[in-house]
Order: sequence, then C-alpha cells, then structure tokens
Amino acid sequence: SQKIEQNSEALNIQEGKTATLTCNYTNYSPAYLQWYRQDPGRGPVFLLLIRENEKEKRKERLKVTFDTTLKQSLFHITASQPADSATYLCALGNAGKSTFGDGTTLTVKP
Amino acid sequence: DAGITQSPRHKVTETGTPVTLRCHQTENHRYMYWYRQDPGHGLRLIHYSYGVKDTDKGEVSDGYSVSRSKTEDFLLTLESATSSQTSVYFCAISGQGEETQYFGPGTRLLVL
Repeated sequence: SQKIEQNSEALNIQEGKTATLTCNYTNYSPAYLQWYRQDPGRGPVFLLLIRENEKEKRKERLKVTFDTTLKQSLFHITASQPADSATYLCALGNAGKSTFGDGTTLTVKP
Repeated sequence: DAGITQSPRHKVTETGTPVTLRCHQTENHRYMYWYRQDPGHGLRLIHYSYGVKDTDKGEVSDGYSVSRSKTEDFLLTLESATSSQTSVYFCAISGQGEETQYFGPGTRLLVL
C-alpha cells in the first residue's frame, strides 16, 4: 500500500538557520508533489508544487527538491523566523487526487 | 480560507444520531473534497466530487455519504455517528486542471 513518511514529528531550530524537512514515499508514482503549511486550528495552506520531471523549485525563502529515484522530497526554509513555526505537510498527487503525509511540526526559536 | 466556508464549525453529538456537515464555496471550482484529520493519521480523503451529482469514494468512506446538488455546496453526512468519527473535518476545492487544493477552516466534531 502507499506510504508517506515525513521526518520526525517535530523539528526545533534556531532563528536564522535553515530548516530541512523530508518526505519519503513508497509504492507510489506521483505526477506531482506539494507542500502545505498548517497552523493550529486552521486548514492547510498551499506553499509549493513540484512535478515529477522537475528537480527543484524555489519561492522566496522556500526551496523544494524532488528525487523520483530516491522517492524523496526535501523542503528547505532558509533564514528561518519564529513566524515559520507551523506544521508542514507533504502531499503526493495524481489525476487531481492527493495523499497527505502526517506532517512535521517545525518550531523556530528566537 | 477565502471563498470556502464550513458549517457548523463545532458540533457535539451523540452516538447513533445523523450529522450533516456543509461545505460552501464561492469560487465556482469543479472539484470538492472531504477529508478527516486525526493525530497519527494525517489528512485522509473521505469522498470527493468532480461535478454536480458526480461523486466518488476516498480511502475512508465507510460510514459516510455525500451529495452535491449545486456547484457551490458539498454535503457530508454521517448516517449514524460513532465515536470513531470524532475528528476534524476539512473541505477542500480545486479548479479544472488545477492540482492545488484550497482548504476550508474545518469542522470539529465530537461524538459522545
């Protein structure tokens, strides 16, 4: 069955450092992969999408890589800020349907 | 959350009672989805719709039914609520040819 694993449930880093979150998957051939941010008590909010034929995508301080051979995506937040503290979800997609990972909760300490 | 509302936002009910959750969108998007989110399980797809009166099951559809009689409304019904259906329910929408989903604010349901 399809399985998505996001690295450790919680990640704590110091302000200004780069946060790196991992999403690994098995038994899946996604056409695209997305990263969402979720704050407590709110719905997920879309951040970035990367397609299977793309290696890297950037948006401001965010960078996503996608390695379909390793079946892995890395999500980087550079120059992290306390406001980046949230839960980050990866989602694998195909034909309009997405399967979500459990998320990694990032805490950025001042 | 702009363009998507869910009602009610919070509900407490008793085992065995029927419950209907409503998702309303003003974006005229074709696709609508219902997810539940539980600790340790992440977001799981219950049902989705690809047009008016067109719906299909997701990975956790048992005990749930849906209806979509208008583009803007997607209803999720628990015919006879059970304690295992205590969860946070999210509605999401996406447009034709779009992969990105936009989520509503969620409904917290407690089944006693």
